[in-house]
Amino acid sequence: LAKTTQPISMDSYEGQEVNITCSHNNIATNDYITWYQQFPSQGPRFIIQGYKTKVTNEVASLFIPADRKSSTLSLPRVSLSDTAVYYCLVGGKVGDNNDMRFGAGTRLTVKP
Amino acid sequence: DSGVTQTPKHLITATGQRVTLRCSPRSGDLSVYWYQQSLDQGLQFLIQYYNGEERAKGNILERFSAQQFPDLHSELNLSSLELGDSALYFCASSPLGGPPSYEQYFGPGTRLTVT
Repeated sequence: LAKTTQPISMDSYEGQEVNITCSHNNIATNDYITWYQQFPSQGPRFIIQGYKTKVTNEVASLFIPADRKSSTLSLPRVSLSDTAVYYCLVGGKVGDNNDMRFGAGTRLTVKP
Repeated sequence: DSGVTQTPKHLITATGQRVTLRCSPRSGDLSVYWYQQSLDQGLQFLIQYYNGEERAKGNILERFSAQQFPDLHSELNLSSLELGDSALYFCASSPLGGPPSYEQYFGPGTRLTVT
């Protein structure tokens, strides 16, 4: 599984747009990029997944540049309830990427 | 609510003991994944079952084992428990048999404390 690098923490204020960037320089051709959100003592929750360009759903947008060596999760107009840890994962939809670690993730704190 | 259920919610046991954690996947999901989350190791993939068969193995210790039953629920067995096994154990499910990078739905977890 491709190694990913994210900021350890980020602060924001209610109503702002938050962009969390993940670096994955050794992403493979068949790898997808997936983001999860985790609240304390809860299981991670799938947010969004993409392969290239831009993906948008009701919760977030995912921007992936042409070289795919990084990706940016964009959360529009965050609220206090968006305070959580956000994990970026990179892996293929086929094959055996068994050494799957979510890493430390990015701890987002939204302030009033 | 993801639709994945895990029991028990909390478990306290002593070193050397054996425990069984149970997971029921979302209705219709054939894959079950088990994860361990501890403070120093982060969230780590342990093992995956797909429709009753072992599909993928992660960093699962030999003292740990799992199985998936015909009704698709899964059990994770932890034996000869050590203090370092104290962690949150999550189960996740997915409709397909893909690797852990697939979209998964996580349960609420079982918090295991070994004393």
